[in-house]
Amino acid sequence: GAVVSQHPSWVICKSGTSVKIECRSLDFQATTMFWYRQFPKQSLMLMATSNEGSKATYEQGVEKDKFLINHASLTLSTLTVTSAHPEDSSFYICSARGPSGGAVDTQYFGPGTRLTVL
Amino acid sequence: RKEVEQDPGPFNVPEGATVAFNCTYSNSASQSFFWYRQDCRKEPKLLMSVYSSGNEDGRFTAQLNRASQYISLLIRDSKLSDSATYLCVVRGGGYQKVTFGTGTKLQVIP
Repeated sequence: GAVVSQHPSWVICKSGTSVKIECRSLDFQATTMFWYRQFPKQSLMLMATSNEGSKATYEQGVEKDKFLINHASLTLSTLTVTSAHPEDSSFYICSARGPSGGAVDTQYFGPGTRLTVL
Repeated sequence: RKEVEQDPGPFNVPEGATVAFNCTYSNSASQSFFWYRQDCRKEPKLLMSVYSSGNEDGRFTAQLNRASQYISLLIRDSKLSDSATYLCVVRGGGYQKVTFGTGTKLQVIP
C-alpha cells in the first residue's frame, strides 16, 4: 500500500521553541494532506487540511498562526508548532489521500510524531 | 451530539468469541465510512471500508445502515492479535472532511 513517512518520530523541546514536523508521501503524489492531533486516550482530531499550492484550511479552534502548515510540493507537507508550550504536547499524525481512482479513496497515515514540550 | 460516537469499551472477550461494535454518525449527508484499527501509540491503519451493501473481509464484516445512521463491525473467531482500538471514520462532502470516532477498545483474552 501507499506509504507516508513523518519526521521526526519524536521530539522533546523547551517551552517557547518552534518545532517543524515533515510529512512525506513516498510513492505517490498527494494533493491533499491532513494533520491530526491525538491526546492520550482520545480520538484523532483534525487540525487542518493541507492542499498543495494553496493555503491550508484550519478547523475551528485551531490557531493558524500557531500551527503553520506548508504544502510546497505534491509529496511534502510540513507542520510547524510555533512557540510551543506544554499543552501542545501531543501525538501529531499526518495523512495523505491515496492515489486517485477506485470507488472509495482512502487516507494513509504517517507513523506520527510524539511531541513533548517541557 | 458528537458527529461520530462510539462506545469506548473496553470490550474484553475470550479468544474465539464473536464481538460487534456500533458507531453512530450525526450528519446524514456523510458519504463514506471506514473502520480503522489503531494499536497503542501507533498510527491508525485502514481495516476496511464500509459499503452500502455491506462487505466482508475474512473474519471481519462491516455494515452500514443509512436510515438509522450507524455502521457496525463484526469480528468472528477473535484472535489475540485483534486486540486494539477500532476507530469509526466518517467522511463528508466538500473538502471531504474526515471525522474520527473516539474508538472502541478491544482486548482479546487467552
